[in-house]
Amino acid sequence: QSALTQPPSASGSPGQSVTISCTGTSSDIGFYFYVSWYQQHPGKAPKLMIYEVNKRPSGVPDRFSGSKSGNTASLTVSGLQTEDEADYYCSSQAENSVIFGGGTKLTVL
Amino acid sequence: QLQLQESGPGLVKPSETLSLTCTVSGGSISTSSYFWGWIRQPPGKGLEWIGTIYFSGATYYRPSLKSRVTISIDTSKNQFSLRLGSVTAADTAVYYCVAELPGGASKYWGQGILVTVSS
Repeated sequence: QSALTQPPSASGSPGQSVTISCTGTSSDIGFYFYVSWYQQHPGKAPKLMIYEVNKRPSGVPDRFSGSKSGNTASLTVSGLQTEDEADYYCSSQAENSVIFGGGTKLTVL
Repeated sequence: QLQLQESGPGLVKPSETLSLTCTVSGGSISTSSYFWGWIRQPPGKGLEWIGTIYFSGATYYRPSLKSRVTISIDTSKNQFSLRLGSVTAADTAVYYCVAELPGGASKYWGQGILVTVSS
């Protein structure tokens, strides 16, 4: 059960769009439509931003969107705002378990 | 709106058992809408799923921890608990209790509790 692969960092300027990738295998992302994304600010608990690949919980801005193709899922943040600067983690259902990515630090320049 | 709160000792000695409790408010733990889980985060590192308990009592654990971990539920107290035995320094982490949607998305999180393993 290996961790999902995310780039360690990503960046963009306010107003721009940025996409963070999350690569797994045919046993997790490629098999299940249960990919989630979390935002974590320093010293805070993570917050669910996307679930079931592309669904947003109530209160999450529509600037956040998710997608999946094959074994890779993606999180896109459009219209970047300074408060979007945070760590982002993907996760996927796997057989009788949940796997997380290593996290991506998003910097808003 | 569910609220979750972890409680337990912040310091555990090596080889002993880490025990944490999560108290759920704002809803019943007996609901079929959520599953109850534990996630940890070592200092400066990423998130690690520990395990989940379903309302049926079925449990699923991280394979690498399976021999040391037990998650249980107490519906009379609206609580669920984590026990992790034979701890080492590698188990030092912030431990979060979560309410999961079917498919494993953690919708509600506790604030987290730092547990340090040290003599």
